[in-house]
Amino acid sequence: EVQLEQSGAEVKKPGESLKISCKGSGYSFTSYWIGWVRQMSGKGLEWMGVIYPGDSDTRYSPSFQGQVTLSADKSTSTAFLQWSSLKASDSAIYYCVRGDSLFEYWGQGTLVTVSS
Amino acid sequence: EIVLTQSPGTLSLSPGERATLSCRASQTVSSSYLAWYQQKPGQAPRLLIYAASSRAAGTPDRFSGTGSGTDFSLTISRLEPEDFAVYFCQRYGGSRTFGQGTKVEIK
Repeated sequence: EVQLEQSGAEVKKPGESLKISCKGSGYSFTSYWIGWVRQMSGKGLEWMGVIYPGDSDTRYSPSFQGQVTLSADKSTSTAFLQWSSLKASDSAIYYCVRGDSLFEYWGQGTLVTVSS
Repeated sequence: EIVLTQSPGTLSLSPGERATLSCRASQTVSSSYLAWYQQKPGQAPRLLIYAASSRAAGTPDRFSGTGSGTDFSLTISRLEPEDFAVYFCQRYGGSRTFGQGTKVEIK
């Protein structure tokens, strides 16, 4: 069974750094793209970017380029989404998804709250 | 960039009724690259339909997708209590654009 298990909720202050994770299981982690989707409170879905764990090829949405960094660790089948300096506007639920652009499998989501 | 506009914003219906949701694209979308997702409160979205009309694994046959070019629709033939949710369309294959969603609520 394909599963994407995300790390738990985070509460951070503006300016702090953060790295959240998504562990894949039940499939060959290095053979599928892993993407990230943002959902701000009560809002729609925004694609952020994707990474191919096999060779770390990474593609970002223009809206998120330079704002976040995607990475992956093949040894632990885990993908990461990180911020170097959080803003209040980064408060949202972040979902990891399997696939380059069609998202058949989703993680349960990680709630990130940024507040002073 | 293609913009997807969903209508109506909210659809108020009773169980057993038929629901028709619309997704209009600002440019032609190959029907091979239009998907629909369902999201229930507190849950991650779930893929329902891909390639405009193909049901994903586990999608009940009361859900059907149609359309081509710039106009697509998702129809739920007879609403079950578990179908009241938010539905998003998505263009995939190039840009990964989502529509803003349609909420199907109990009347």
